[in-house]
This record gives sequence, C-alpha cells and structure tokens, in this order.
Amino acid sequence: DTEVTQTPKHLVMGMTNKKSLKCEQHMGHRAMYWYKQKAKKPPELMFVYSYEKLSINESVPSRFSPECPNSSLLNLHLHALQPEDSALYLCASSLGPLLGGKNIQYFGAGTRLSVL
Amino acid sequence: AQTVTQSQPEMSVQEAETVTLSCTYDTSESDYYLFWYKQPPSRQMILVIRQEAYKQQNATENRFSVNFQKAAKSFSLKISDSQLGDAAMYFCAHPLGAQKLVFGQGTRLTINP
Repeated sequence: DTEVTQTPKHLVMGMTNKKSLKCEQHMGHRAMYWYKQKAKKPPELMFVYSYEKLSINESVPSRFSPECPNSSLLNLHLHALQPEDSALYLCASSLGPLLGGKNIQYFGAGTRLSVL
Repeated sequence: AQTVTQSQPEMSVQEAETVTLSCTYDTSESDYYLFWYKQPPSRQMILVIRQEAYKQQNATENRFSVNFQKAAKSFSLKISDSQLGDAAMYFCAHPLGAQKLVFGQGTRLTINP
C-alpha cells in the first residue's frame, strides 16, 4: 500500500479566509512533503518534515503555515492568500532521510486550490 | 548544478506502438535512484519506474523499461504496446540529497486511438 490521502480535493477561498489542507499516510513513513504545482510545470518543493520536525522551508511566504501533529498527518494552514497562490498542492511521503538518494517519495492526488 | 532535462515537451504515439521519452541529468551524488513519474489528468503523481544508479541492468516494470546510460547521464523511458491509459504528463526526477527531488520540465504524452 503506497497511499497518501489528501483532503479536500478542491478548495475555493477568498483572500481573507483561513483554510487548511490535510494529508495523511499510514505507511510508517517518517518524512512528509508539501509541493506547489502550477499548470504544465513540475512540482516545486515548499516544506519537508522529517521525524515530525520541519527540516526544509524553501523560503515560502508566511501566509502558508505547515504543521505535523504526528508521524501520519501533515497539515498546511492557509491565511490571506493571493490569487497567484492558486495551484495544485501535492503532499508526498517517504521512508525518511537516512536512505539518502534512495529515498522514494509517494504522492497524493493533490488539492486544487483557487483563490478569488 | 543539479539539473534534469527533458527535451521533448510533447510526444504522441499510436495505440499499441512503442514510444521513448528522453531524459538527461546532472548530479554529483554517488549512490542514487532515478525516477519516472506519471501524472494523468487525475493529477496524482504515480511512480512508474526507478533505476538504481549502481546497477548496470536496466529496470523493467511490465510495459515500461528504461535505457540507463550512466556515463552519458541519460535515462530514457520506453513504453511498449501503448494504451490509452498511458496518456499523461511524464516527469523524470533524481534526488538532491536525502529530501529533495529535482524534476525535469515534463513530457506530455498523447495516445492516438
């Protein structure tokens, strides 16, 4: 089983709203990732959590706030977003950084976010 | 710099025929995997196949196989007996350290019935 579950599938929000994206995996993976993907482009890494600690923040604006409550769950809290933040947000998980270059990432189906 | 280059933005193939998608990469890593991911209109990035860099034997998964040329830093994907369900965006990727993936720009594959 290589399933990563993301909810909701679609989200429409205004620029003053606060919303959250959720990602869950039950594969015993200890690393989880958030990516942003614009149409016809590859995913861009936003955050990495390793053993429930934030290990990489790719200079993402503070209106995006990640949270890892436990090893199975990853949230992305959204506040005061801009229309240019509209994109597909993908979550991924992997066994963990100890595997180095053999660390395989498995992706969820994403949340399609539209900011009005 | 760690880079991945997919030189074919779009490819098309007739159903049941064979198609090859190209990928070249540059890395300073010594022991790593290389990956092909497929992203159909359903949006999920699906791992199609992986190759261990120290293995000379090319990886194969059913109708999908790779041609890995380590010295040339080339990692192409061959899809045999193409099916309509193979239509998708295909991304080549290699690791940057333990936690990052470097993706190519993608190749959009169309299957003609």
